[in-house]
Amino acid sequence: GAGVSQSPSNKVTEKGKDVELRCDPISGHTALYWYRQRLGQGLEFLIYFQGNSAPDKSGLPSDRFSAERTGESVSTLTIQRTQQEDSAVYLCASTPHSSFQNEQFFGPGTRLTVL
Amino acid sequence: RKEVEQDPGPFNVPEGATVAFNCTYSNSASQSFFWYRQDCRKEPKLLMSVYSSGNEDGRFTAQLNRASQYISLLIRDSKLSDSATYLCVVNGDSGNTGKLIFGQGTTLQVKP
Repeated sequence: GAGVSQSPSNKVTEKGKDVELRCDPISGHTALYWYRQRLGQGLEFLIYFQGNSAPDKSGLPSDRFSAERTGESVSTLTIQRTQQEDSAVYLCASTPHSSFQNEQFFGPGTRLTVL
Repeated sequence: RKEVEQDPGPFNVPEGATVAFNCTYSNSASQSFFWYRQDCRKEPKLLMSVYSSGNEDGRFTAQLNRASQYISLLIRDSKLSDSATYLCVVNGDSGNTGKLIFGQGTTLQVKP
């Protein structure tokens, strides 16, 4: 079956512009996660959705970052007034339901470059 | 101190070698432990979960020492296709959200 998909695969933007990153999780997966991976670093947790609610937003680095999920499906991560330090790969993952035991299935990521 | 610490390497080994990676974690409340593999410019994929009793999957053996908050991965008879970055991962809270905390990753390069 189809895996997690993300779009765009690459995004180059100018400092100060807003960007929207999209994630389509595996159908039926109720839990969805966003992570950020800077060059040469591990993944940093950003936000977690259970259904359309976000019980844990603790990883969002600033109020320029926001995310929403609709229809217990698609999620968008929005970064306002982008800064150069926002340059990273943004990865989305989903699992059938939230559990500390579940494997997370990752999408291919969106590579964001802020000039 | 980072929540999950790994030696970034790189580890350069010949084909057929045995190589071991180690990882330490700071949150004693962590309940689940994993090794994920990440190929260059690709997304991470689960390699194996790590259980207290230790577990093996073919050439791969994972061990967990809760007292020392230490996780290891042993790869025997290394193949060229094992070249990748290996991410040590623990669950990030005592609840049930599934939030994961990733180490920086250890890079393995297997040479012919």
